[in-house]
Amino acid sequence: GAGVSQSPRYKVAKRGQDVALRCDPISGHVSLFWYQQALGQGPEFLTYFQNEAQLDKSGLPSDRFFAERPEGSVSTLKIQRTQQEDSAVYLCASSGGWVRGGSGANVLTFGAGSRLTVL
Amino acid sequence: GDSVTQMEGPVTLSEEAFLTINCTYTATGYPSLFWYVQYPGEGLQLLLKATKADDKGSNKGFEATYRKETTSFHLEKGSVQVSDSAVYFCALTITGGFKTIFGAGTRLFVKA
Repeated sequence: GAGVSQSPRYKVAKRGQDVALRCDPISGHVSLFWYQQALGQGPEFLTYFQNEAQLDKSGLPSDRFFAERPEGSVSTLKIQRTQQEDSAVYLCASSGGWVRGGSGANVLTFGAGSRLTVL
Repeated sequence: GDSVTQMEGPVTLSEEAFLTINCTYTATGYPSLFWYVQYPGEGLQLLLKATKADDKGSNKGFEATYRKETTSFHLEKGSVQVSDSAVYFCALTITGGFKTIFGAGTRLFVKA
C-alpha cells in the first residue's frame, strides 16, 4: 500500500481482556517495527522483524506481549490479560532497509498508531 | 547504552520567530541522526537526517547539523509558521544496527 496502515485506531479494553493490533506495512518493506508510546513520551522499541523472522523482541514488557509476522507482510501485536499500564499508543513502522547509496540511514515510515485504553 | 536527550517543552513562539530545539545523544557506536515530526492526529514522519559528522540535514526550512564533538543535533528554523505546530522527536540509529532510539519529544506551539 501507499503507507503503513494500522487497525484499530482506537481500542478500549477491560482489564484482563486480550487485544490484537494489526499492522499492514508498505508493500515490499523488509523490516517491521513495533513501538510503544506513552502519553507525553517518545516511542519505545518493542520488537523488530526482518521478513517473517523476529530478530529482536527485547523491548516487549512482559510475556503477555506477543508479536508475529507469519508471511513477512502483515504483523499482529497481541496483548494478553491487559493491564492498565498497557494503555498507550502502539506504533508500527516499516523500512525498506538501508537507504541505497551507502548512507546507512535506516528511515522509518510510521503508521498513525493504535491507541489502547485499558479500563 | 544509547540514548537521546532533547529539551523539554512545550515551546511557544510567535509566527516568524526563530526556533531552536536542542538535542544531544549518547551512542556506543557511530550513529545516524534524525528528526521526526508528529503533526496532530498523524503518525511520525521523517523531517530530516544526517549520517556522518558535520553533515547538515535540511527540509521544509528546518536544518540540523551533526556535531560529533558536542554529540549534538540541534534543530533550527529561521521563521516558524503556525503550521509548524507539532511534536518534534530527535532520534538515532547505530550504523549497522536496526533499532531507532527516540528522545521524549518537544511540543511546539506557534501563535499567529
